[in-house]
Amino acid sequence: GDSVTQMEGPVTLSEEACLTINCTYTATGYPSLFWYVQYPGEGLQLLLKATKADDKGSNKGFEATYRKETTSFHLEKGSVQVSDSAVYFCALTHPERSNDYKLSFGAGTTVTVRA
Amino acid sequence: KAGVTQTPRYLIKTRGQQVTLSCSPISGHRSVSWYQQTPGQGLQFLFEYFSETQRNKGNFPGRFSGRQFSNSRSEMNVSTLELGDSALYLCASSLGSGRGALDTGELFFGEGSRLTVL
Repeated sequence: GDSVTQMEGPVTLSEEACLTINCTYTATGYPSLFWYVQYPGEGLQLLLKATKADDKGSNKGFEATYRKETTSFHLEKGSVQVSDSAVYFCALTHPERSNDYKLSFGAGTTVTVRA
Repeated sequence: KAGVTQTPRYLIKTRGQQVTLSCSPISGHRSVSWYQQTPGQGLQFLFEYFSETQRNKGNFPGRFSGRQFSNSRSEMNVSTLELGDSALYLCASSLGSGRGALDTGELFFGEGSRLTVL
């Protein structure tokens, strides 16, 4: 079955530092890949996505590139802010499958940014 | 527009009891999914409904059930509660599609119902 592996946290950074959260996946077929973010006390929200190999998703200064050869989708931001403190989830789904109506999530990585 | 609303936000039950959680999706969204979030297991898929039909179910015991109403609102029920059922239960809605899977992958999540089983 599908699986998503994220780097373990927690990660603590200073403001303006660079952030990278590693994500690798195991899946057959042609999955779409996502990063969701969960801010304290809130539900998850989509941060960015990529639907095919070599696609780059970007949003709010975050980027991730779909690398099929390394089965990876690492999340990066060049300069983090305190407001980026949250839990980040890597996820995948299979839009090519007619009976797959779910997202498979990684374990989540807690990021804390200190002023 | 209003987001996904889940009720109750917090509840405490004892072992053996049952619980019903409610979810109101974003207006116009026809697909509702449920996920269980725990520190040990992360986010686990429970089930997904579209137009009152369950299209997909995760690997949970039969004590976990759900349904969707004609207005797309959904409920999930857990019977004979166990300590391990303590978790944050998240509901998510999406436009859904008659054809197939989560083709856009964008789910809109509620804030969750936090269940504590004593």
